[in-house]
Amino acid sequence: GDSVTQMEGPVTLSEEAFLTINCTYTATGYPSLFWYVQYPGEGLQLLLKATKADDKGSNKGFEATYRKETTSFHLEKGSVQVSDSAVYFCALTRYVNQGGKLIFGQGTELSVKP
Amino acid sequence: GAVVSQHPSRVICKSGTSVKIECRSLDFQATTMFWYRQFPKQSLMLMATSNEGSKATYEQGVEKDKFLINHASLTLSTLTVTSAHPEDSSFYICSAPPTVTGLNYGYTFGSGTRLTVV
Repeated sequence: GDSVTQMEGPVTLSEEAFLTINCTYTATGYPSLFWYVQYPGEGLQLLLKATKADDKGSNKGFEATYRKETTSFHLEKGSVQVSDSAVYFCALTRYVNQGGKLIFGQGTELSVKP
Repeated sequence: GAVVSQHPSRVICKSGTSVKIECRSLDFQATTMFWYRQFPKQSLMLMATSNEGSKATYEQGVEKDKFLINHASLTLSTLTVTSAHPEDSSFYICSAPPTVTGLNYGYTFGSGTRLTVV
């Protein structure tokens, strides 16, 4: 079945460091891909998305490119801030226009130190 | 737009009792609702999909008789944890898909319910 694999955390970085969180997926066809963020004690928020190969999603300085050839959707940010400390989830769905279910990766906890 | 209101946000109950969690779509009609469970520092596990006017579809390994899901109207889906035990303690989250509101709104998540069974 469909699955998402993320790099294990926690990831600890200093402020202004470069961030990469790896995400790879297994799915038939052309799934839509998402990154969600969960701040401490809160629900999930959509960070960015991409719906087809080579699409780049971006938001709040974060970027991720849909790579069909490597089945990846790595999350990057050039300069992290303390406020970026959160858990990040990569997710996919194969039937976005039909309201299909989201499959989540295991989540990667990011901690940014001043 | 596209807000899902989930209540309660926190609940503590005694072993053997039942707890109901509600998710309401405030400004749109949700014909489908996904219910997830999240263990501490772990991912969201899809438990079931509720559909208005029909039986819920449960994921493999989820006990249908323990986790009762009802989708009574186009704006309300409920999850009832029956005869709760400490191992049912978890964070439960509902999510409405972008079928009605369009992809721009994405999947809309409730704020979650922290259930603690003592």
